[in-house]
This record gives sequence, structure tokens and C-alpha cells, in this order.
Amino acid sequence: AQSVTQLGSHVSVSEGALVLLRCNYSSSVPPYLFWYVQYPNQGLQLLLKYTSAATLVKGINGFEAEFKKSETSFHLTKPSAHMSDAAEYFCAVSSPNDYKLSFGAGTTVTVRA
Amino acid sequence: KAGVTQTPRYLIKTRGQQVTLSCSPISGHRSVSWYQQTPGQGLQFLFEYFSETQRNKGNFPGRFSGRQFSNSRSEMNVSTLELGDSALYLCASSLEQGARGYEQYFGPGTRLTVT
Repeated sequence: AQSVTQLGSHVSVSEGALVLLRCNYSSSVPPYLFWYVQYPNQGLQLLLKYTSAATLVKGINGFEAEFKKSETSFHLTKPSAHMSDAAEYFCAVSSPNDYKLSFGAGTTVTVRA
Repeated sequence: KAGVTQTPRYLIKTRGQQVTLSCSPISGHRSVSWYQQTPGQGLQFLFEYFSETQRNKGNFPGRFSGRQFSNSRSEMNVSTLELGDSALYLCASSLEQGARGYEQYFGPGTRLTVT
């Protein structure tokens, strides 16, 4: 079975500062990893995904994540936060022959002006 | 290309009633998954359908059921509603079976409130 743990349920950053959201996974097989964002009263939007190609993955809106097998991590970063980045972020894991996503508990990001 | 659509967006039901939610996937997508989102339990997988067949089911009671039609549209049904069924129900579609290495595209969700 696969699972993810997101460290920190809430992160507050200043506009222009680095955004770092932590995700650790557990999987008995090579995982597929995803980051999604959810704005209030909306569904989930895919930011980026890792599917065993490059370990550094670039996504939309300036976000990127690095897959580190030795640390079983897939942390999400953005060099400079914007007010529009305020949302809830979810890390998710899947694997070959697995027909579902297993989500972390989510991290809410607030951006201070 | 139109995104995943879900109807209705908001629903209020009474305990003991039953409810049907609808999901239309992105054109060409044959896999449809359903998730329940609550503040306490987070995002939990309900079931996944591909070509009208349920390929995976989450750990939910039998009151939760679903189906997929030949045009890939999907419905989920909850019978004998309980207060704890109040949640945002999200539908997601993808080109291939389930998540695997492919993106799942989510709809805006149906907000169900059980009173």
C-alpha cells in the first residue's frame, strides 16, 4: 500500500519569499507522485507529477519538485511566493496497477503582503 | 476542450434519503474516479470505473455505489444518508485506467449537506 505524509498543516510565507511544502511517501514499488492545488470552493488542479523520468520536475505557476528516493521525499518549492499562491496543496501517490490516488492531509498556504 | 463537469454543485438532503450525483468526464477520457473530501478524513478514494467496469473500490460501506455508462459519464449513489456523509464529492477523469502515470483531472465537486 502507498501513503504520503505532508509535514505541516499550515505554512505562512511573505510575498516574494520561498515556498517549501514537504511530502514524504511510503511505497513498496516505484511510485508515481503528484502535487495538486485546491482553491476555495473548487476542485483539484494538477501542479506537477513524477513518473520515473527526471527527478526534478517543473510544473505550472513556477512550482517545481524534486524526487529523492534515498529520503523518500517529494518536496514542492517555488522561489518567490505570490498572493495568488494562497490555497491548499495536496501531495498524492499512486503506483503501477493502482487505480487510485492516495492523498496527504494537505497543507494550507497563506501569503502575507 | 471542456473540463470535468459535475451536477449538481450543491445539494441538501435529510438523513435516511438517498442521493445521486453525476459526473461527465473530459471528452475522450474513459476512466472516472470518485473521491470524498471532508475536514476530518481528508480526501478518500471511493471507486474507479473504466469502460463501464469498476476496477477499484475504496473502504466505504455498501451504501455508496456507482456506475459508468457507455459514453463514460458516471453516477454515484448514496443510500440511507447519514450526517457523516456530508462532504465534497469530487469526480476525476483520465485517459488511461486510474491514476498510474497519468494525470487525473478533477471537476469542481458536489457539496452535499445532510441534515
